[in-house]
Parts: sequence; structure tokens; C-alpha cells
Amino acid sequence: SQELEQSPQSLIVQEGKNLTINCTSSKTLYGLYWYKQKYGEGLIFLMMLQKGGEEKSHEKITAKLDEKKQQSSLHITASQPSHAGIYLCGGRSSGSARQLTFGSGTQLTVLP
Amino acid sequence: KAGVTQTPRYLIKTRGQQVTLSCSPISGHRSVSWYQQTPGQGLQFLFEYFSETQRNKGNFPGRFSGRQFSNSRSEMNVSTLELGDSALYLCASSLSAEGYTEAFFGQGTRLTVV
Repeated sequence: SQELEQSPQSLIVQEGKNLTINCTSSKTLYGLYWYKQKYGEGLIFLMMLQKGGEEKSHEKITAKLDEKKQQSSLHITASQPSHAGIYLCGGRSSGSARQLTFGSGTQLTVLP
Repeated sequence: KAGVTQTPRYLIKTRGQQVTLSCSPISGHRSVSWYQQTPGQGLQFLFEYFSETQRNKGNFPGRFSGRQFSNSRSEMNVSTLELGDSALYLCASSLSAEGYTEAFFGQGTRLTVV
């Protein structure tokens, strides 16, 4: 089955600093999703990438999918306390079982 | 446009009881997926429904079941509750069940089994 590994597991940064979260899949992905979650709440959709080499941005968050569609990175520029939370990557692999499965998440803390 | 609605938000049940959780997807979305989230196991896929048919099922015991109605609303049921079933249950709504559609989540139902 597909496994998604995220790194780092947790990250503490000073407000204003840039940061990167990585997501690696053991299989080629057909759709890579990034979500943000506040503890105990639902997942907030950030963006979806589907083509190799694709890059998308939303406000100060940029996500990229590599050409082989097995690695993705999420980059936050000039972090703010509002960026704090758990970031989860999710992906759909090929085959008939195309369910969306998730990595274990990255806990981001932004110190004011 | 209303988002994904899950009810109830919080639930406390006793071991051995059964529970039914509800998920109303975004209007026009026909696919609903259910997930269990716990601190130890993370976000685990339970099952996915599309047009009232179960398309995929995760690795959970038969005590976990679900269904989808003609209006795309979905319910999941857990029978003979165990303490380990305490978790945040999330549902996700998609336009279709294909690989390139965005999936939006509800706020979740926090189930506590005592």
C-alpha cells in the first residue's frame, strides 16, 4: 500500500522565518494534497497538485510536486503565528483503490 | 456554498454501545470518505462511498460500517464500541471519486468511549 512520509515531524520557528515541510511517497501519486489542521478540528484544504513539476501558491504558502510525482514540498515564507498548526500531506496512488491516504503530519509552532 | 457538515460534533458513549455519525457533503458532491484520527495512528482511511456504493474500504473490523443515501448524505456506524474507538471521525466530500478532484473535510465528530 502507499505510504506517505512527512518531515520534519515538528518544527518551531521564529515569526518572520521561512520554512519547508517535505512529503515523500513510496509510489507515484495521482493527486497530492496539502491540508492544515488546528488541533481537534477538521482539515482545511490548502492546495492540490497533480502534474509532475507543478507548483502552486496561496498567499505565503507554496507547494511543489517533483517530476516523478513522488515528492512534494510545502514552503511558507515569512511565517506568522496564524500559520501554526498541523500540516498534512495526502495522496492518491494508482490502481483501483484510489483512496486518499495521509502522512503523519508536521506540527508547526511559530513563536511571536 | 455550505461546507461539509458533520453531526454531532461531540459524543460520549459507553463501551458496548453502538453509535451513528452523519456527514452531509457539499451540495453537488457525490463522493464521501470517512477517516478515523487518533494521536497514535494518525489519519486512517475507513471507507469511501460514491453514488450510494462503497468503492473502497480501509483496514478496520466489521464493527465499522457505513452507507450513503440518494442525496449523497452518508452515515457511519460503529457497533459494540471499544475504548480504542475513541477518536476524531472526519468525513471528506469530493465531486467524484477520481484521482484529480479536491477533497474537503468537515469539522469532525469527537467520539469518546468510556
